[in-house]
Amino acid sequence: QKEVEQNSGPLSVPEGAIASLNCTYSDRGSQSFFWYRQYSGKSPELIMFIYSNGDKEDGRFTAQLNKASQYVSLLIRDSQPSDSATYLCAVGNQFYFGTGTSLTVIP
Amino acid sequence: EPEVTQTPSHQVTQMGQEVILRCVPISNHLYFYWYRQILGQKVEFLVSFYNNEISEKSEIFDDQFSVERPDGSNFTLKIRSTKLEDSAMYFCASTGNRNTGELFFGEGSRLTVL
Repeated sequence: QKEVEQNSGPLSVPEGAIASLNCTYSDRGSQSFFWYRQYSGKSPELIMFIYSNGDKEDGRFTAQLNKASQYVSLLIRDSQPSDSATYLCAVGNQFYFGTGTSLTVIP
Repeated sequence: EPEVTQTPSHQVTQMGQEVILRCVPISNHLYFYWYRQILGQKVEFLVSFYNNEISEKSEIFDDQFSVERPDGSNFTLKIRSTKLEDSAMYFCASTGNRNTGELFFGEGSRLTVL
């Protein structure tokens, strides 16, 4: 069973703050890692992907990967109310999803 | 912009009936997926499909489920003898390259089993 775990939520941050979302995975052979966002009642949409250890930045979003620790995270800088959603970590070619972390950005 | 389309958007069925959920993936994509999301719960992988055959399936995808690509465009999920616990949102998704990322999702088909 390929497990993908995310930090329990819900997470609330004030507007402008940094939101930190974490994910661990069980399959040490996984090579691809993705962060998706899902608004209530909608389908998931890709935020970014990462394959190599280290950081990857895209605008206000930074993904961090540590394969030795089987850990991937997402930082959202300057959080906006429109970032309020559930964030899903997905791992591997079959895109196994984690349980999701609900984020609320308070204006 | 190309998109994954799913039909029906909502289906209500009686327990024990068979349902077919339909998906039209993006035309040049090669990898197709079905996921299930029970209300308030995680997005669960059901099955992936490539080159006209199943490439991987989860424990959920038992003999009750089947997938088919009956022609060059449609990708279907059949659920036989539906149970109450099959009530969920079913998402179809496709990608052109499963290593580089973007998995495009349809809007989902909500199945309600009474």
